[in-house]
Amino acid sequence: DTEVTQTPKHLVMGMTNKKSLKCEQHMGHRAMYWYKQKAKKPPELMFVYSYEKLSINESVPSRFSPECPNSSLLNLHLHALQPEDSALYLCASSLGRAFQETQYFGPGTRLLVL
Amino acid sequence: GDSVTQMEGPVTLSEEAFLTINCTYTATGYPSLFWYVQYPGEGLQLLLKATKADDKGSNKGFEATYRKETTSFHLEKGSVQVSDSAVYFCALTNAGGTSYGKLTFGQGTILTVHP
Repeated sequence: DTEVTQTPKHLVMGMTNKKSLKCEQHMGHRAMYWYKQKAKKPPELMFVYSYEKLSINESVPSRFSPECPNSSLLNLHLHALQPEDSALYLCASSLGRAFQETQYFGPGTRLLVL
Repeated sequence: GDSVTQMEGPVTLSEEAFLTINCTYTATGYPSLFWYVQYPGEGLQLLLKATKADDKGSNKGFEATYRKETTSFHLEKGSVQVSDSAVYFCALTNAGGTSYGKLTFGQGTILTVHP
């Protein structure tokens, strides 16, 4: 089973709202990732967690706040977003043992900021 | 730094035609290479991968061979179906980085297959 689940599937929020995206995997993976994907573009890495610790932050604005409460769960907290933050947000996971391992993606959350 | 270049799309084919999507890369060391597919409105699915030179990845009739001498990982399928219509991303990860997670993607190739 190589399933990564994400909720919600769609999200509409205003610029003053606070919302959270959730990602879950039960494959025993210890590395988890957040990506942002704009239309017709490849995904862009935002954050990487390795063994529940933040290991990469790709200079993402502080209005995006990641959290990894345990090895199976990854959250992305959103606050005071801008319309240009509208995108597909993808979560991925991998074993967490080697640099070159395979990442498995979830279906994504399609976010619209009004 | 590492980079991946895919052939420009979109690519439009008739059903049962032969498909090639070119992918070349620039990377130090020995990267692992991947093809991901994204169907409309969905996330990315791993299509196939290869972790060392001359490895051939294959899945669902798609194939790609890791060619270190030409730094290429071209995707091929002998007979495409309408259901293969999607965006295809070539990507790599490299042990030359300092930590996990640096998947470097090509720009994606949109494939449309007509009946």
